[in-house]
Amino acid sequence: QKEVEQDPGPLSVPEGAIVSLNCTYSNSAFQYFMWYRQYSRKGPELLMYTYSSGNKEDGRFTAQVDKSSKYISLFIRDSQPSDSATYLCAMKLTGGGNKLTFGTGTQLKVEL
Amino acid sequence: GAGVSQTPSNKVTEKGKYVELRCDPISGHTALYWYRQSLGQGPEFLIYFQGTGAADDSGLPNDRFFAVRPEGSVSTLKIQRTERGDSAVYLCATSKGTNQPQHFGDGTRLSIL
Repeated sequence: QKEVEQDPGPLSVPEGAIVSLNCTYSNSAFQYFMWYRQYSRKGPELLMYTYSSGNKEDGRFTAQVDKSSKYISLFIRDSQPSDSATYLCAMKLTGGGNKLTFGTGTQLKVEL
Repeated sequence: GAGVSQTPSNKVTEKGKYVELRCDPISGHTALYWYRQSLGQGPEFLIYFQGTGAADDSGLPNDRFFAVRPEGSVSTLKIQRTERGDSAVYLCATSKGTNQPQHFGDGTRLSIL
């Protein structure tokens, strides 16, 4: 079993829909949680960076962390065709090195 | 400002050859990371530098892989006796310090024929 599980999709939604992307994890020592967006043949681009549990909002994006359930989510409101990309969740321990552990990524397509 | 720069963007070589991949960090970022991403997978950690020294090299798959950062800025990932299984996108990321967000370059797409 992988430390971080993420449904690979693909997920197809109409323009304007609310998108929900999720990851589960097994290591309760993860304390930092990130969402990256990756376009084809490009590097991952940081969208959200959160520490411990709770919610964080930035424009159309909201990140949620539920440490009790070992579950994190990214919500995208008013989705646009330009949001079509692969979304990667990533996690990091605190104090135990700086490596990120990634999910496999979810491929999202927002259709006109 | 300028982001993380990786060169070359693509590299095709034959099995058994030696390759070097370069990473130029964001100015002022002291921490530097190498990851490897295979098709349909998330990036996997290889090595982390804080300054000039490798603070964590636990992700390097074997002794054919080596990385340096002699002046605490530019880093080079070196792969000896390449194998077809080494084909992947090699990503570099940098951050201002520990527990700071990591910012990625666009990677080097390595193909071993």
